[in-house]
Amino acid sequence: DIQMTQSPSTLSASIGDRVTITCRASEDISTWLAWYQQKAGKAPEVLIYKASTLERGVPSRFRGSGSGTEFTLTISSLQPDDFATYYCQQYNGYSRTFGPGTKVHIK
Amino acid sequence: EVQLVESGGGLVQPGGSLRLSCAASGFTFNNYEMNWVRQAPGKGLEWISCISNYGNTIYQSDSVKGRFTISRDNPKNSLYLQMHSLRVDDTAVYYCARSYSHYNSFFDFWGQGTLVTVSA
Repeated sequence: DIQMTQSPSTLSASIGDRVTITCRASEDISTWLAWYQQKAGKAPEVLIYKASTLERGVPSRFRGSGSGTEFTLTISSLQPDDFATYYCQQYNGYSRTFGPGTKVHIK
Repeated sequence: EVQLVESGGGLVQPGGSLRLSCAASGFTFNNYEMNWVRQAPGKGLEWISCISNYGNTIYQSDSVKGRFTISRDNPKNSLYLQMHSLRVDDTAVYYCARSYSHYNSFFDFWGQGTLVTVSA
């Protein structure tokens, strides 16, 4: 099974900060990677798929990059609505695994 | 508007069984592969099973293989998860989620989830 790791596990940041979250896969997954945002008590929502494609309606301050085994999610200027937990997910065929998550706190 | 509404969660004793349902609307259900994803309290997301649009292909994670069965009823626009031999560590919110496409697919729509608690 493909294992996913994320760093950091938690992150404290201020409004307007640039934030970067890293996700690593245990083997090459090409660009079969999605990023989700989950707020407390809610279902996850997809932000980015195919490593760098922004889902419709997602603000352009979110950017995904990477391929192979290393990926990043960048929020260019953190907004109040962005305090949440972020998960990466690989979807290489029918192997579907989530990373452990990164919780973004208010500093 | 795409809607996925789970039901059937509740409190069950270890070793017991439960059947979850997911009612889909707002899209052509039989065009889409569907999934179950769970989240234990305070923990991360775990994909557990998917079923192809006509139900002829099923994949499951090792953690539920042999205990859980995914199925669907396309005329009723419904997805199901039959769970047997439940364990305390199956306690979680269970989400149904739609696959964006077949095979290499992320999940583009999710339900609100239904809580399953396994406890004596």
